[in-house]
Amino acid sequence: AQSVTQLGSHVSVSEGALVLLRCNYSSSVPPYLFWYVQYPNQGLQLLLKYTSAATLVKGINGFEAEFKKSETSFHLTKPSAHMSDAAEYFCAVSRGRTGNQFYFGTGTSLTVIP
Amino acid sequence: KAGVTQTPRYLIKTRGQQVTLSCSPISGHRSVSWYQQTPGQGLQFLFEYFSETQRNKGNFPGRFSGRQFSNSRSEMNVSTLELGDSALYLCASSPQGARTEAFFGQGTRLTVV
Repeated sequence: AQSVTQLGSHVSVSEGALVLLRCNYSSSVPPYLFWYVQYPNQGLQLLLKYTSAATLVKGINGFEAEFKKSETSFHLTKPSAHMSDAAEYFCAVSRGRTGNQFYFGTGTSLTVIP
Repeated sequence: KAGVTQTPRYLIKTRGQQVTLSCSPISGHRSVSWYQQTPGQGLQFLFEYFSETQRNKGNFPGRFSGRQFSNSRSEMNVSTLELGDSALYLCASSPQGARTEAFFGQGTRLTVV
């Protein structure tokens, strides 16, 4: 079965510092992986997706993620944190041979310290 | 292009009642999925509809049901509400095909008292 694990339910960084949010997947087949962001009282917004075309995936708002098969990881990074990056971040895997059925990690709350 | 629209945004219901939530997907999207989000359980998949047919189903009791109309709009119904059904219910639409990205609405906040 495919699933994702997010390490660290809370991450704090200083404004301008590197953001690193960790996600590991377990999959018996090549996964389809996604990162979403959720602001308070809002839905989820897609940051980026991995669908095996390239291991380094660039997303919106300066975020990127690297797929590492040897480490079964898909960590999310951003070189320089902004105050507006404070939100909840979810890693997700798409399961099922047909359809769109997402399984989400438990989320990481990012705090940016001025 | 308009995004995914969910109505209403907020609902307060009494235990034992039933509730219907509505979702209008992005124009052209035929796949609509529903998720429940709670602090304790996180984001959980409820079900997915495609061309008016349920294509995938999560592990929820039969009190949770849904349907999709010919215009791809979807409704989700919860009968005999329990306190534990209080949650943010999110609808997502996806382009045709499997394992594509999902675009989420802002959600309906359901409170059961």
